[in-house]
Amino acid sequence: NAGVMQNPRHLVRRRGQEARLRCSPMKGHSHVYWYRQLPEEGLKFMVYLQKENIIDESGMPKERFSAEFPKEGPSILRIQQVVRGDSAAYFCASSPPANTGELFFGEGSRLTVL
Amino acid sequence: AQRVTQPEKLLSVFKGAPVELKCNYSYSGSPELFWYVQYSRQRLQLLLRHISRESIKGFTADLNKGETSFHLKKPFAQEEDSAMYYCALSMPDKLIFGTGTRLQVFP
Repeated sequence: NAGVMQNPRHLVRRRGQEARLRCSPMKGHSHVYWYRQLPEEGLKFMVYLQKENIIDESGMPKERFSAEFPKEGPSILRIQQVVRGDSAAYFCASSPPANTGELFFGEGSRLTVL
Repeated sequence: AQRVTQPEKLLSVFKGAPVELKCNYSYSGSPELFWYVQYSRQRLQLLLRHISRESIKGFTADLNKGETSFHLKKPFAQEEDSAMYYCALSMPDKLIFGTGTRLQVFP
């Protein structure tokens, strides 16, 4: 089991462009979580998804940010019209259907907005 | 509001010294708490959870509901313990993390 896979690992965008971050959960995991880590801050919860459903998006900014986890394929975190303040590390985690409270993390995607 | 506080950004000790990484939480329900660790160039991973009441790599953590704390302790630190440590509170649909404490263990 390759673990949670995130790509790209590094992404550079200019202001106003779109950023798409992808996450493939561990095999057998149907729950995906996205977190954002800003400099000098901890991991901030963004969104929790199950296949084809958004369960909790209380941490998502109201504008420009969206997430999906389709029936087939990876989960995608999409940021439209990026601004410099979006520069951060974005981590994806997955968990199995039986909620043990343990999350399995990817290595993160670092977004830099010029 | 639910919150996890780790007051120390950095904790430096010498090898063999005791270590205590502080964690306080705010939660109106019955808390379920975890410690996660990130070693250099590795993924964030679970270190221990309070309900299992086990010692992992010599680390223990006791939930103190009266003080709303879940401090991580190790009696004798090792150089390989140097890492970033995050305390986390389990909510129904997510984990809430503290800001993390970097532990540096010097030889």
